[in-house]
Amino acid sequence: ETGVTQSPTHLIKTRGQQVTLRCSSQSGHNTVSWYQQALGQGPQFIFQYYREEENGRGNFPPRFSGLQFPNYSSELNVNALELDDSALYLCASSLGGKGYTGELFFGEGSRLTVL
Amino acid sequence: SQQGEEDPQALSIQEGENATMNCSYKTSINNLQWYRQNSGRGLVHLILIRSNEREKHSGRLRVTLDTSKKSSSLLITASRAADTASYFCATDDTDKLIFGTGTRLQVFP
Repeated sequence: ETGVTQSPTHLIKTRGQQVTLRCSSQSGHNTVSWYQQALGQGPQFIFQYYREEENGRGNFPPRFSGLQFPNYSSELNVNALELDDSALYLCASSLGGKGYTGELFFGEGSRLTVL
Repeated sequence: SQQGEEDPQALSIQEGENATMNCSYKTSINNLQWYRQNSGRGLVHLILIRSNEREKHSGRLRVTLDTSKKSSSLLITASRAADTASYFCATDDTDKLIFGTGTRLQVFP
């Protein structure tokens, strides 16, 4: 296990609703990245947070937003849910800081189903 | 977008056999990593190879990198049923990792 914990593990929402996913990074890790993994695909980068600021964003619309807290934990918020948002959402932490692209430590993910 | 493409998409072998999976990517890199994912769970880092390295070993894993061909391979020797998982390559791109589409490995006892 990596020490990265995510909650909830599974959830079901309907179109148009909003969802908040949470992540506690591995002890001492100051950087958190979020990835979306659709069924049968590789993870896609959403954004990265370092020192409570968004640092780098993938090809995701503004309705995907996030936060990082002083204890380095993080939230991913998705507004106006669409069917295509159904996926496994993965949080990954690291010690690397801004722009770090080395080893990532992943949580087990939050599986979101949008009906 | 996904930069890496793994080949094959799926691979089935018997325990004790070797498994080789390949990754091709499109742009220049500083490093390439391989991750493993058990069904529907989080990814686990296996190995990182830097652009100036050609080969790296870790236990039963051997990774090669050919930057001129923009390709990498992961070899798992003497496979075990517990190696059954999906394997992804990931390349660095400015401030993020770009993952490939994965190879699903099934190892039969």
